[in-house]
Amino acid sequence: DAGVIQSPRHEVTEMGQEVTLRCKPISGHDYLFWYRQTMMRGLELLIYFNNNVPIDDSGMPEDRFSAKMPNASFSTLKIQPSEPRDSAVYFCASSKLAGGVTNTGELFFGEGSRLTVL
Amino acid sequence: AQSVTQLGSHVSVSEGALVLLRCNYSSSVPPYLFWYVQYPNQGLQLLLKYTTGATLVKGINGFEAEFKKSETSFHLTKPSAHMSDAAEYFCAVSDLRKGGKLIFGQGTELSVKP
Repeated sequence: DAGVIQSPRHEVTEMGQEVTLRCKPISGHDYLFWYRQTMMRGLELLIYFNNNVPIDDSGMPEDRFSAKMPNASFSTLKIQPSEPRDSAVYFCASSKLAGGVTNTGELFFGEGSRLTVL
Repeated sequence: AQSVTQLGSHVSVSEGALVLLRCNYSSSVPPYLFWYVQYPNQGLQLLLKYTTGATLVKGINGFEAEFKKSETSFHLTKPSAHMSDAAEYFCAVSDLRKGGKLIFGQGTELSVKP
């Protein structure tokens, strides 16, 4: 089975440019999470969705960041305009919390998108 | 609010020695606890998890962890370290009532010396 798929794996851009990161969750999962990882701040939850609806976006750093989930198989995280301090690895993760016997909250992570803003 | 504290950002052991990575949590509700491992340039992979039941849980690659409610701890151990265990390890806590989002500790980088 395919895991969580993220693209691009690496992105180098200049300050002020728009950046779009993409994620395809595992089929059948109903939760999707965006995390950011930096040396200084570790793993931070930015936003998560349940059944394509944003549930908690309190971790989104500022209005330059936006995330969408138009359908169950696709999500985007957009930064506009990008700044050097946005340089980080961005992870997408998905999970299935359907209330059944496997309701344990395990997240499955993608390989990450490494963003460098010059 | 839930939180996780990992004691020691770097741990170094010799090959064959005991591995002990410490994790303490704070939670107002019974927690679900996880350990994840991250190899360089890769995503996070689940090592093991505690939800309910037996407090000693076994995971992949010979790791295990024990949930101790009285100490609010969930330390990760492995009897004998292998070179391939060198990675970063994250402890995480979840409250399923809030959709299962994981709150991660800062991570512990494990080095294994030959």
